[in-house]
Amino acid sequence: NAGVTQTPKFQVLKTGQSMTLQCAQDMNHNSMYWYRQDPGMGLRLIYYSASEGTTDKGEVPNGYNVSRLNKREFSLRLESAAPSQTSVYFCASSGQGWYEQYFGPGTRLTVT
Amino acid sequence: AQSVAQPEDQVNVAEGNPLTVKCTYSVSGNPYLFWYVQYPNRGLQFLLKYITGDNLVKGSYGFEAEFNKSQTSFHLKKPSALVSDSALYFCAVRDNNAGNMLTFGGGTRLMVKP
Repeated sequence: NAGVTQTPKFQVLKTGQSMTLQCAQDMNHNSMYWYRQDPGMGLRLIYYSASEGTTDKGEVPNGYNVSRLNKREFSLRLESAAPSQTSVYFCASSGQGWYEQYFGPGTRLTVT
Repeated sequence: AQSVAQPEDQVNVAEGNPLTVKCTYSVSGNPYLFWYVQYPNRGLQFLLKYITGDNLVKGSYGFEAEFNKSQTSFHLKKPSALVSDSALYFCAVRDNNAGNMLTFGGGTRLMVKP
């Protein structure tokens, strides 16, 4: 099992450009999450999907949109990137009745 | 609202000595508590969790954590530190009344010196 995979690993955008971060899991998990990690601030939840067909806002959703494409895939879209969105983005998943989340390797995004 | 505090940005210990990484939490209901470790340029790896039962929980790589309800703490411990334990450690909490959302602390960098 690959677990949770994310693409791309690195990305540089100019202000105003758009992009989609892809995430897939092969553990048959119901729930998936998008976090951003900034120095000294831990991980902050952007959006999550408790099950296929549902999405909900987390702590810092402004400037982002998500799509739960199917049970395996959960994408994060930046419509108009801003320098404040420079961060490392992590996708995670968890199974029904499980409590811990499993994380992907991350995408390092720089917006200039 | 739920919150987590990791009061130390960095903890330094000598190899072979015991280590403690501190975590305190605040929730309205009963807490589910977690520790994760992050190595450089990697995602977070699950170490251990407290859901219910015995207050001392054991996890991966020889780590353990003690749940203390009266002090609202969940400190991570290891009897004998290894240089390879050097990493960033995150405590997280989930209120059992708040769905699947985890709240993370700011992280503590553990440095183990030979």
